[in-house]
Amino acid sequence: RKEVEQDPGPFNVPEGATVAFNCTYSNSASQSFFWYRQDCRKEPKLLMSVYSSGNEDGRFTAQLNRASQYISLLIRDSKLSDSATYLCVVNMAAQSGGSYIPTFGRGTSLIVHP
Amino acid sequence: NAGVTQTPKFRVLKTGQSMTLLCAQDMNHEYMYWYRQDPGMGLRLIHYSVGEGTTAKGEVPDGYNVSRLKKQNFLLGLESAAPSQTSVYFCASRRGGELFFGEGSRLTVL
Repeated sequence: RKEVEQDPGPFNVPEGATVAFNCTYSNSASQSFFWYRQDCRKEPKLLMSVYSSGNEDGRFTAQLNRASQYISLLIRDSKLSDSATYLCVVNMAAQSGGSYIPTFGRGTSLIVHP
Repeated sequence: NAGVTQTPKFRVLKTGQSMTLLCAQDMNHEYMYWYRQDPGMGLRLIHYSVGEGTTAKGEVPDGYNVSRLKKQNFLLGLESAAPSQTSVYFCASRRGGELFFGEGSRLTVL
């Protein structure tokens, strides 16, 4: 079982739709949480950090539920340009101690169609 | 502003050949990482470094070696390439919680 789990999708939605992705993690000592976006054959780029209080950036809302060990990403009013893979990233404590390791989920594919 | 630069961007190797991927960052970051990305597998950590002169194993280190002799450079070596090492390799450096990636190196082992 991977330490960070995501539904690979694809999620196929029309423009203007609201879509939500979840991500679960196994290590309760995980420190920090992020969503990255990856376009086809490109490098991942930070979309947003995720805080316990929830945070919003325009059409994007991220939330963290530490008790249930999952994070979510909500995209409102989907645009064609939102089509990409969304990667959940959890900073987990290294076994050797003293540092945290960014650990990726497998990614969720989103396709927004006209 | 170069950020993170990976070389080469593409390479085709024969089984048994060796090669080195270079990652260079100009942001003075302490932490650097090498990941590989395969279809359906997401990014998996190969090795990482928490500072100049230090390296540690990640999730899939077998068949790879690394060195961090200078803070700005993190080298990934394949001593004897195997077809299972055909992949896209991403290097990243970290500041706080944010990772900064290179554009990736696409390696094919025949």
